[in-house]
Amino acid sequence: SQTIHQWPATLVQPVGSPLSLECTVEGTSNPNLYWYRQAAGRGLQLLFYSVGIGQISSEVPQNLSASRPQDRQFILSSKKLLLSDSGFYLCASRDNYGYTFGSGTRLTVV
Amino acid sequence: DAKTTQPNSMESNEEEPVHLPCNHSTISGTDYIHWYRQLPSQGPEYVIHGLTSNVNNRMASLAIAEDRKSSTLILHRATLRDAAVYYCIRSSGGSNYKLTFGKGTLLTVNP
Repeated sequence: SQTIHQWPATLVQPVGSPLSLECTVEGTSNPNLYWYRQAAGRGLQLLFYSVGIGQISSEVPQNLSASRPQDRQFILSSKKLLLSDSGFYLCASRDNYGYTFGSGTRLTVV
Repeated sequence: DAKTTQPNSMESNEEEPVHLPCNHSTISGTDYIHWYRQLPSQGPEYVIHGLTSNVNNRMASLAIAEDRKSSTLILHRATLRDAAVYYCIRSSGGSNYKLTFGKGTLLTVNP
């Protein structure tokens, strides 16, 4: 079965600072990878998904970007964080057996 | 647009069965019905999924209406650890499908 590694678990960053969240996947190859964000008290919003190395699709216009430099690595980035970027960020992987989510990163922009 | 409708919240007592409803009246013939749950401060966890027939696994049962416009997730004996937000999601098949989450149902389990 798939295992998703996400880090860090929590992060506090000042407005205007850069961001890099990393997600790695074990136990599968060539998975579809996804970044979701959950604002406080809200549902999960799909931000990006990737079907392969270097292939990124953005679901909503925003201050964030994503990259997939390796088959099982997915990175979420920002050059300058905004207060509205605060939230719970989840990485997910999908293979033939279904979706698996990571444990998430709680980002607070101050 | 999650394309499913669920009650915002439900309550149950420990050791009793729980029936969580979901309406997906615009579902197409190839859409699967997925259920995930999310415990506080954790990522969603897969519960069950199905297409047309009722499904059972160690966590729950999924009862799908004959017209597929609704489904019910059944927890046979609720425990305190089942308290979570339960999401009902429909998705098409294929290699590029995406799960679109709605607001889900917050299940509270009373001891």
